[in-house]
Amino acid sequence: DQQVKQNSPSLSVQEGRISILNCDYTNSMFDYFLWYKKYPAEGPTFLISISSIKDKNEDGRFTVFLNKSAKHLSLHIVPSQPGDSAVYFCAASVGGNKLVFGAGTILRVKS
Amino acid sequence: DVKVTQSSRYLVKRTGEKVFLECVQDMDHENMFWYRQDPGLGLRLIYFSYDVKMKEKGDIPEGYSVSREKKERFSLILESASTNQTSMYLCASSFTLLMNTEAFFGQGTRLTVV
Repeated sequence: DQQVKQNSPSLSVQEGRISILNCDYTNSMFDYFLWYKKYPAEGPTFLISISSIKDKNEDGRFTVFLNKSAKHLSLHIVPSQPGDSAVYFCAASVGGNKLVFGAGTILRVKS
Repeated sequence: DVKVTQSSRYLVKRTGEKVFLECVQDMDHENMFWYRQDPGLGLRLIYFSYDVKMKEKGDIPEGYSVSREKKERFSLILESASTNQTSMYLCASSFTLLMNTEAFFGQGTRLTVV
């Protein structure tokens, strides 16, 4: 039973436009959420996180939104760049415990 | 910068072999993790450790064991490799479980069992 779900296996966006990646979760005890980015043949790298006490966190071109009532979070990338093309993983944890990951979304940014 | 280093980028092993995957971190992190990544399944936790000589099973521990004799080193052992263990293996480390903090990953080991 997947506690963290990324229902879109892939997303294609034009350079300069907004990329929106979505993630749903089922465990209401999750209190910390993260996004990781992964290039082929490399380990995931941390991108941005949000605590459950907040509904938005911004870092440069990246913004994460959390909707606790809907158990939904999203990652917005504006503007999208070709170098953003990668696999994006959503992850969640309870009280700083082990991270539970979604299946990932492949983002392709076309120039 | 945090560095998590996995001993091999690519490995090819035969069915039935005992396989050791090594991971070292240089940031004095308490927690260390082993995940495997498979297409469509994301990253699944195999084992984790929150202290030297301590270990906890993750979601898919069957066929694996781990060893943590020193704080900086966490080893994943495939007791008798099978073809369904062909995967990308990722090691990660983080600070204490009591803190909300990100985990740092190594570059991954692509293991093929033939």
